Amino acid sequence: ILNVEQSPQSLHVQEGDSTNFTCSFPSSNFYALHWYRWETAKSPEALFVMTLNGDEKKKGRISATLNTKEGYSYLYIKGSQPEDSATYLCAPFLGGAGSYQLTFGKGTKLSVIP
Amino acid sequence: DTGVSQNPRHKITKRGQNVTFRCDPISEHNRLYWYRQTLGQGPEFLTYFQNEAQLEKSRLLSDRFSAERPKGSFSTLEIQRTEQGDSAMYLCASSQLAGGNTDTQYFGPGTRLTVL
Repeated sequence: ILNVEQSPQSLHVQEGDSTNFTCSFPSSNFYALHWYRWETAKSPEALFVMTLNGDEKKKGRISATLNTKEGYSYLYIKGSQPEDSATYLCAPFLGGAGSYQLTFGKGTKLSVIP
Repeated sequence: DTGVSQNPRHKITKRGQNVTFRCDPISEHNRLYWYRQTLGQGPEFLTYFQNEAQLEKSRLLSDRFSAERPKGSFSTLEIQRTEQGDSAMYLCASSQLAGGNTDTQYFGPGTRLTVL
């Protein structure tokens, strides 16, 4: 069983606050890490695909970093807005050659209070 | 809209009945995936197709579950003799064969199954 941990499980922040969450994963057999945002009643939306140690990706107010040696990724949201309220899921590729399954964490549920 | 679509969005059934879900991927995508999400968990991989070939199956996919992608386009997931433990959100995703493990999987909105 491949263990992908996300923390915190949930958090509430005020509009305008910046926040960050963590995804930790086994560092062996690492190929890539995907971040998704999943709003209620919608499809999970792809945010980033990260592959290299030290990678940093940015999309608007959201950014992510990757440390493959120690097996973690951080997701940052700057100046949170109510529309950022969603569950954020990380999913590393850990299955090895020929496997294309994503192994998801349980997610971090973010609620932004106006 | 050219995203991944799934039907039905909700399904309520009685224990022991069979159910079938459909997934229509993004048209040029040749890879299609099924995942299941139960309460409090992240999505868990069930199976994966490349064109019409089913190339990978999870141990979660018991013999009551069968998935097909007959012409390499849409896919169906059938659950026979449903059990209450099958209640979950069933998600479909598709991707285009390009970089392998870095290919983005694009998800549909899911089918929520409730087994009474």
